[in-house]
Amino acid sequence: TQLLEQSPQFLSIQEGENLTVYCNSSSVFSSLQWYRQEPGEGPVLLVTVVTGGEVKKLKRLTFQFGDARKDSSLHITAAQPGDTGLYLCAGAGNTGTASKLTFGTGTRLQVTL
Amino acid sequence: DARVTQTPRHKVTEMGQEVTMRCQPILGHNTVFWYRQTMMQGLELLAYFRNRAPLDDSGMPKDRFSAEMPDATLATLKIQPSEPRDSAVYFCASGPRDGYAEAFFGQGTRLTVV
Repeated sequence: TQLLEQSPQFLSIQEGENLTVYCNSSSVFSSLQWYRQEPGEGPVLLVTVVTGGEVKKLKRLTFQFGDARKDSSLHITAAQPGDTGLYLCAGAGNTGTASKLTFGTGTRLQVTL
Repeated sequence: DARVTQTPRHKVTEMGQEVTMRCQPILGHNTVFWYRQTMMQGLELLAYFRNRAPLDDSGMPKDRFSAEMPDATLATLKIQPSEPRDSAVYFCASGPRDGYAEAFFGQGTRLTVV
C-alpha cells in the first residue's frame, strides 16, 4: 500500500505570511497532484507534477516534485483568506490514465485577516 | 463548464436500508473513481473503472458494497444493507483519456445512516 503523509496537519496563519506544506512517501510515483477542497465541495485539481525535481508555479503557489519522485512540497507566498481550505496531495502509482490515485492525509489551512 | 454530477447530494437513511448513489462523469473521460471521505480516514479509494471495466475494488467491503457502470454516462455505488459506520461523504471523480491520472470530482453525496 502506498502511503502519503502530509505535514503539518493543521496550519493557522495570518494574511500575508508564507507557508510550506509537505507530502512524503516511501513509494515512487509516476506523477503527483495537489488539490484544494473547500467545505461542502469536492477536491479541485491545482497542479500535476511529473518529472523529478520539477517546479511549477501557479500565481502565489509554488509546487515542487522531489528528485526521487517520492515527495513534494507546496509553498504559498503572502497567504490570503481565499487560500483557506484542505490541501491534498495525491500520487499516481503507474503510468497512464488508468492509474490508481492515492491521496495524502491532508493539511487544513486557515488564513485569517 | 464540464463537471461531474452526483445525486443525491444528501441522503439520510435507516440502518439496513439500501442506498444507491449515482454519478455522471465528464463526457469523454474514460476513468471513474469512487472515494469515501471521513474525518478519521480521509479520502479512501473504494473502486475505479476504466472504459467501464472495474480495475480495482479492493477498497470496498464486498459483502455490502457494489459499484457498476451500466453505460459510459452513469456510474453507481450501492450499499445494501447500510450501517451507521457507512456514514461519510462519497465522491465520484472522472479522469481524462490523456493525461496523468488527474481526477475531477463531483460535489459528493453526504450519507447519514441512523
